[in-house]
Amino acid sequence: DAGVIQSPRHEVTEMGQEVTLRCKPISGHDYLFWYRQTMMRGLELLIYFNNNVPIDDSGMPEDRFSAKMPNASFSTLKIQPSEPRDSAVYFCASSLAVPGRSDTQYFGPGTRLTVL
Amino acid sequence: GDSVTQMEGPVTLSEEAFLTINCTYTATGYPSLFWYVQYPGEGLQLLLKATKADDKGSNKGFEATYRKETTSFHLEKGSVQVSDSAVYFCALRSNDYKLSFGAGTTVTVRA
Repeated sequence: DAGVIQSPRHEVTEMGQEVTLRCKPISGHDYLFWYRQTMMRGLELLIYFNNNVPIDDSGMPEDRFSAKMPNASFSTLKIQPSEPRDSAVYFCASSLAVPGRSDTQYFGPGTRLTVL
Repeated sequence: GDSVTQMEGPVTLSEEAFLTINCTYTATGYPSLFWYVQYPGEGLQLLLKATKADDKGSNKGFEATYRKETTSFHLEKGSVQVSDSAVYFCALRSNDYKLSFGAGTTVTVRA
């Protein structure tokens, strides 16, 4: 399997612009997670989906952030409008939940976002 | 809520030295515990895991034992290599499917 795929790997944009980050989870996985990593705050869970349905979005910082999962093989994280403080590495991860067993989350390579 | 506290870094070692990174947790119920590793410029990779008390996870010479009595999951390796230089994250998962991560410990191994 190709693993979790994220695009773009790097994104540089100007304040106020819309940014869309993309993720393709591992085929067959039914959970998808979006994380943000910064030096100041470490790894933060933003939102996660189960079977394409958002389960917990309590980590989404504000209304400028939105995430969708239109089908089992694709998810987007959108920031509109972007601000310099959104600069971070954004990771997508997926997992397969097996009842009674621990599930492992597999991470993508991340998208490094820089907002000028 | 659930949380993980891990040893602050950075940690700098010489090759073949012994490595320990402490990790303690607070959780309700019986969480599963994980160590993830992040190499420079890459995403996180699962290093090892343990799902119940007294389980020992091991991989690539690293080990960690799930200690319920001390709520700990310390990571150890007997002889580190330069290629072990990375950031190590302790994490737990309890009843839902979210992972709670520690702050990460940066390890640098010098030849």
